[in-house]
Amino acid sequence: QKEVEQDPGPLSVPEGAIVSLNCTYSNSAFQYFMWYRQYSRKGPELLMYTYSSGNKEDGRFTAQVDKSSKYISLFIRDSQPSDSATYLCAMKVSDSSASKIIFGSGTRLSIRP
Amino acid sequence: NAGVTQTPKFQVLKTGQSMTLQCAQDMNHEYMSWYRQDPGMGLRLIHYSVGAGITDQGEVPNGYNVSRSTTEDFPLRLLSAAPSQTSVYFCASSYSNRVYFGEGSWLTVV
Repeated sequence: QKEVEQDPGPLSVPEGAIVSLNCTYSNSAFQYFMWYRQYSRKGPELLMYTYSSGNKEDGRFTAQVDKSSKYISLFIRDSQPSDSATYLCAMKVSDSSASKIIFGSGTRLSIRP
Repeated sequence: NAGVTQTPKFQVLKTGQSMTLQCAQDMNHEYMSWYRQDPGMGLRLIHYSVGAGITDQGEVPNGYNVSRSTTEDFPLRLLSAAPSQTSVYFCASSYSNRVYFGEGSWLTVV
């Protein structure tokens, strides 16, 4: 069983829709949770970072963590065609740089104009 | 404002050839790493380094070597390329929870 599971999609929604991207994990030691966005033929870039259960909002993006269920989500409101990308969840045990990051396999998202 | 720079961006190798993927960062980060990304597999850690002179293996190290003689540079060497090493390779540089990735190197082994 993979430590981090993520639905690969692809997910296609119309512009303006609310998008929900999800990951589950098995290692209860994970404390830090991240979402990366990766455009085609580019490297991943950090989108959201959180270390506590609950919601964290940044503009149209909300990251949600439920440690009791080992489940994290990324919500995108008022989705735009520019949000079309692959989204990877990632998590680690501590905030040290040396703590290894485990990535999900990524969900490919397409926003239709 | 370069961040993490990887070269080459595209490369085709024949089975058995060796080559080096170059990676340089200008953020003075101690922690650097190499990942490969394959369809359905996500990003898998090949090797990492916590500082100059210190390297260690990640999840999928076989067939790859690294060295870290300076803080800035972290090259990845393929010793004898195999078709299974066809992949996209990303170099990354980290500080705390912020990871900065390079643009990627697309490698095909025929």
